[in-house]
Amino acid sequence: DTGVSQNPRHKITKRGQNVTFRCDPISEHNRLYWYRQTLGQGPEFLTYFQNEAQLEKSRLLSDRFSAERPKGSFSTLEIQRTEQGDSAMYLCASSIPGLLNTEAFFGQGTRLTVV
Amino acid sequence: AQKVTQAQTEISVVEKEDVTLDCVYETRDTTYYLFWYKQPPSGELVFLIRRNSFDEQNEISGRYSWNFQKSTSSFNFTITASQVVDSAVYFCAPIQGAQKLVFGQGTRLTINP
Repeated sequence: DTGVSQNPRHKITKRGQNVTFRCDPISEHNRLYWYRQTLGQGPEFLTYFQNEAQLEKSRLLSDRFSAERPKGSFSTLEIQRTEQGDSAMYLCASSIPGLLNTEAFFGQGTRLTVV
Repeated sequence: AQKVTQAQTEISVVEKEDVTLDCVYETRDTTYYLFWYKQPPSGELVFLIRRNSFDEQNEISGRYSWNFQKSTSSFNFTITASQVVDSAVYFCAPIQGAQKLVFGQGTRLTINP
């Protein structure tokens, strides 16, 4: 399968614990994005990378959130000291940059439940 | 300010009916791109179409068609002869700034057999 892969698919954690999610983009895609989607809402942009450089971060990304893409391939999103409000679907997407705005391809997401 | 509005929260139709999903994008930008994505129950967002603001030609792809009118800021999506498999949440999303998609609230479409 050459699509965007996210792991784990589901994560249940206790409030206050740290969690880490992984995203493997489509291999030739050098742009990678993280979005968060809560129930009944559209996805909200969190951050994006071009290769290993994190070029933009949303105000939604509090200091408890950190994202990395150390070698410009896979990316991780870590949430420290989770809160119930962090419960959401975390979506990863990748795209190829070009002169035209190319479409982003999404993974199936990681659903986080904080209890 | 830029704003994307999908006024229809939920639509329910019987199979084989035609259905149109509305999207209005308000912006001062003269150049922009708009996307439609489909999110079936499995959760994965599936790209459907990209349209730039200079191209107001309608586009048809099988049972899907899109009507973009810059004068009214609308980018509507029509499914002809709907099928149960079309049931999903549909999102309209412009690109802002450096490539980030800004999603509307989405329209939940249910096709009943």
